[in-house]
Amino acid sequence: GDSVTQMEGPVTLSEEAFLTINCTYTATGYPSLFWYVQYPGEGLQLLLKATKADDKGSNKGFEATYRKETTSFHLEKGSVQVSDSAVYFCALTNPTYSGNTGKLIFGQGTTLQVKP
Amino acid sequence: KAGVTQTPRYLIKTRGQQVTLSCSPISGHRSVSWYQQTPGQGLQFLFEYFSETQRNKGNFPGRFSGRQFSNSRSEMNVSTLELGDSALYLCASSLDTNNSPLHFGNGTRLTVT
Repeated sequence: GDSVTQMEGPVTLSEEAFLTINCTYTATGYPSLFWYVQYPGEGLQLLLKATKADDKGSNKGFEATYRKETTSFHLEKGSVQVSDSAVYFCALTNPTYSGNTGKLIFGQGTTLQVKP
Repeated sequence: KAGVTQTPRYLIKTRGQQVTLSCSPISGHRSVSWYQQTPGQGLQFLFEYFSETQRNKGNFPGRFSGRQFSNSRSEMNVSTLELGDSALYLCASSLDTNNSPLHFGNGTRLTVT
């Protein structure tokens, strides 16, 4: 079945450092890919998405490119801030065979801690 | 526009009891999904409802059930609670158009003692 694999955390960076969180996926057909972020005590917030190969999703300085050839969707940010400290989840949904669906398959999450 | 609202925020129950969690989706959203989040298993899909019908179901035992009302509000029920059911339960709603994202509530933290 479909699956998502994220790099192990936690990731600890100094403020203004460059961030990469790796995400690879296994899926048949044409999945849509997402990054969600979870702050302490809260639910998940959509950070960015990409719905087809070579699409680049971006939001709040974060970017990720849908690479079908490497089945990857790595999250990057050029300069992190303390306020970016959170848990980041890579996820996919696969409407290829079942139409619109609210079923997201998540990676295990990567905790990011940014120190001043 | 109000976000996804889940009630209650916190719940403490005893083994063997049952519990009902509530979710009010964003106005106009007809799809509601439920997820269980635990440190060990991460985020796992429970089920999805659309127009009062269960459209998708994850790999959870029959003790976990849900329903959706005509106003799209949803409830999930867990019967015969076990210690392992302690988790954060998240509800998400979406417009159900192509590639429309899920919008999550802040969750209900269930503790089973």
